[in-house]
Amino acid sequence: SQKIEQNSEALNIQEGKTATLTCNYTNYSPAYLQWYRQDPGRGPVFLLLIRENEKEKRKERLKVTFDTTLKQSLFHITASQPADSATYLCALHVNDMRFGAGTRLTVKP
Amino acid sequence: DAGVIQSPRHEVTEMGQEVTLRCKPISGHDYLFWYRQTMMRGLELLIYFNNNVPIDDSGMPEDRFSAKMPNASFSTLKIQPSEPRDSAVYFCASRGGPNSGNTIYFGEGSWLTVV
Repeated sequence: SQKIEQNSEALNIQEGKTATLTCNYTNYSPAYLQWYRQDPGRGPVFLLLIRENEKEKRKERLKVTFDTTLKQSLFHITASQPADSATYLCALHVNDMRFGAGTRLTVKP
Repeated sequence: DAGVIQSPRHEVTEMGQEVTLRCKPISGHDYLFWYRQTMMRGLELLIYFNNNVPIDDSGMPEDRFSAKMPNASFSTLKIQPSEPRDSAVYFCASRGGPNSGNTIYFGEGSWLTVV
């Protein structure tokens, strides 16, 4: 069956450290993968898109990698801040957009 | 642009009642999606439309759920009759065509509680 798994429900880190979130998928061949941020009581907001032929994408303190052999994407937030605390969702594009369950990141001061 | 607009933002209804959720996508977007989010199941795709035509409704849980898109600027998701297990946040989202960057824009959600 098709699955999108994010490594953990919750991740707690200290301010200034790098947060690394994992998205694994099975039985999908996505053309691209996206990461979204969701704050409590709000809808998800797009952060980054990476295509199947791209290995890495960066945007400010964010970095995404995409390994189609491992069927895995890693999402990094460097120099993390308490304001980065949120739930982060990965999403795969096949014919439509399918989302993982999300990882709730808490950055402690 | 005002973004994707959903109404109502919150609804509490009694079991057995009909619920209608409404969505206005971003102008010019070709795709419209309805998602449901719960703690247990995360964000699930219910149905999506392309140019007002339903493309995939395999995520619609049962016949009690129906969705329509009568024109490019309006869609509804209806639950009749509603049940307590339908309690969730329902998100509408829209996206432009393949040359638009493929970003999905979400509304703020409709928080449904069925008692």
